[in-house]
Amino acid sequence: DAGVTQSPTHLIKTRGQQVTLRCSPKSGHDTVSWYQQALGQGPQFIFQYYEEEERQRGNFPDRFSGHQFPNYSSELNVNALLLGDSALYLCASSPWAAGPYEQYFGPGTRLTVT
Amino acid sequence: EDKVVQSPLSLVVHEGDTVTLNCSYEVTNFRSLLWYKQEKKAPTFLFMLTSSGIEKKSGRLSSILDKKELFSILNITATQTGDSAVYLCAVPDPPNFGNEKLTFGTGTRLTIIP
Repeated sequence: DAGVTQSPTHLIKTRGQQVTLRCSPKSGHDTVSWYQQALGQGPQFIFQYYEEEERQRGNFPDRFSGHQFPNYSSELNVNALLLGDSALYLCASSPWAAGPYEQYFGPGTRLTVT
Repeated sequence: EDKVVQSPLSLVVHEGDTVTLNCSYEVTNFRSLLWYKQEKKAPTFLFMLTSSGIEKKSGRLSSILDKKELFSILNITATQTGDSAVYLCAVPDPPNFGNEKLTFGTGTRLTIIP
C-alpha cells in the first residue's frame, strides 16, 4: 500500500500564475481533504471532497478550487498566486464518515511563490 | 471559531531529558483531541483523547486530557534524537454530515541535542 501520494514534491511559481497540485488517496479511501501549512504554523483546512463534490470549505478565497476524479484522486488549483500562498500543501485521505484519527496525510507539496 | 493554542512554540533539550508539551483549546462541540508528530512533511497520528483523566500511552510517549480545564499534555520521557520533530495538537470540527475537518495549533518544535 503506497499510502497517500502527492505531486509534485516542490514547485516554484511567479506571482499571478496558476498552479495545480495532485493527490492520490490511500487505497480504500474515498474522501480527500486539503490543508495549507505556512512556515511555522499548523495546517489550515482548505476544503474536502467526496463523490466528486466539495463537501466542506475553510476560510479560503475562491482562488482556491479543487476537483475529485472518479478514482478518488484530487487536484487543488490556485489562481492568481500571491506571495502569501507560499506554503506546504498537505492532502489527507480517509474513508467517508470515518473518525478523525483515520485521516492519513501525504508528504505534501512545497509551493514557493516569487 | 474553534481555537487551539500550543506551548511552548519551541523547545531544545538534551537527550535523556523528559519534556511536556501543552495544548489548550476552545471548541464549540468538543468530541476529541488528537496529537500528531511531523518530522519532515506528513503529520503522523500519535493519540486521540476523548475522556478526561485517562492516560494514553505508547512507549515513551503519553498524553492526558483535562476536559474541565480544556487542555491536554503530551509527555515524552528519556528523549532520543529521533523525537526531534514538530508536535501538533488538533481538534476535529464535527460537521452536520461527513468527515470532520481538523483545526490545528501552531505546533511545538522539539529539538533533542545528543
